[in-house]
Amino acid sequence: GESVGLHLPTLSVQEGDNSIINCAYSNSASDYFIWYKQESGKGPQFIIDIRSNMDKRQGQRVTVLLNKTVKHLSLQIAATQPGDSAVYFCVYGQNFVFGPGTRLSVLP
Amino acid sequence: ETGVTQTPRHLVMGMTNKKSLKCEQHLGHNAMYWYKQSAKKPLELMFVYNFKEQTENNSVPSRFSPECPNSSHLFLHLHTLQPEDSALYLCASSQKTNTGELFFGEGSRLTVL
Repeated sequence: GESVGLHLPTLSVQEGDNSIINCAYSNSASDYFIWYKQESGKGPQFIIDIRSNMDKRQGQRVTVLLNKTVKHLSLQIAATQPGDSAVYFCVYGQNFVFGPGTRLSVLP
Repeated sequence: ETGVTQTPRHLVMGMTNKKSLKCEQHLGHNAMYWYKQSAKKPLELMFVYNFKEQTENNSVPSRFSPECPNSSHLFLHLHTLQPEDSALYLCASSQKTNTGELFFGEGSRLTVL
């Protein structure tokens, strides 16, 4: 039969706008969280991490926010560029459990 | 260039073949991982090695057999695979397990006929 692909949530943003990618996690014992970016044809690449004793961490053009109360993680990308188009994964817990991913499409 | 090299990049094999995927890391890391990425599922952890010892086998069928001869090399031996095993197999390394960032290779695209 016909194979069914994984339907990823997709976020489309205009070039230059800010992007917010969200992730809900289930393991309340997780104390370390990471965001990865995977471009087409490549392996995932580390973007930024945060420990559970922090609420916010900033990198270059990226900010990660952690809300432990509702078990929610977000990645904010400022001034989104075409090179930001990729699938973004949140990763947490023992042995780096990957979430299903969100596809970010940057519109010209 | 991430410092993690996987070969071959593409592999086509029949169900009765025996083949191996190779991963090499040049980062001095102590932990290495195999992940499977298919069109139907998100990234799935298969195996974890820490200081050459297997510390995680995520209920992977025995037709996949990992080997870690040293901290820099990781193999995945393939035998009597099924078409549903067709996927992108990604190798990663990290300084230690459970903390720190993973460095991924570009993957080996496997097609089982």
